[in-house]
Amino acid sequence: DIQMTQSPSTLSASVGDRVTITCRASQSINRWLAWYQQKPGRAPKLLIYDASSLESGVPSSFSGSGSGTEFTLTISGLQPDDFATYYCQHYGSYPLTFGQGTKVEIK
Amino acid sequence: QVQLVQSGAEVKKPGASVKVSCKASGYTFTGHYIHWVRQAPGQGLEWMGWINPNSGVTKYAQKFQGRVTMTRDTSISTAYMELSSLISDDTAVYSCARDRSSSWSSLAGMDVWGQGTTVTVSS
Repeated sequence: DIQMTQSPSTLSASVGDRVTITCRASQSINRWLAWYQQKPGRAPKLLIYDASSLESGVPSSFSGSGSGTEFTLTISGLQPDDFATYYCQHYGSYPLTFGQGTKVEIK
Repeated sequence: QVQLVQSGAEVKKPGASVKVSCKASGYTFTGHYIHWVRQAPGQGLEWMGWINPNSGVTKYAQKFQGRVTMTRDTSISTAYMELSSLISDDTAVYSCARDRSSSWSSLAGMDVWGQGTTVTVSS
């Protein structure tokens, strides 16, 4: 199974900050990677697919990059609504696996 | 609008089975994979498998092979996930999610999610 490792596990930031979350795959997954945002008690929301494609309706403050084994999710200008937990997920082979999550909390 | 609506919460005893439904609306049900993902309390997301609603073909995570069955009824645009031989570690929120790809040869992330169904396994 491909292991997805996110860092950091928790990130404290302020409104307006630029934040970056890293996701590393245990083997190459090309660009078969998605990023999700999840708030407590809610279903995950797709932000990015194919490593860097922005899902429709998602603010352009979110961006994704990377290929192979290293990927990043960047939020440029953190907004109050962005405090949540973020997950990466690969779909390059089976089983599909998720990272352990990165909680973005208010500093 | 495009949505997936799941069945209600379930409480089961160890050893029992549970069947969760996921009704699709607002799009062509037979045009996208449906995934099932679970999340134990306070934990991360775990993929269980998918079903191709057009053909009925399934792909399960090895961890659940032999214990999970995914089916669909195209006449009512509904997918089902049945998990058997339940143990306490199966206590989780079970969600269905649509794959955003409309191609059967590739996946592309899960763009529409059900509201989740809480399954509690307790004696």
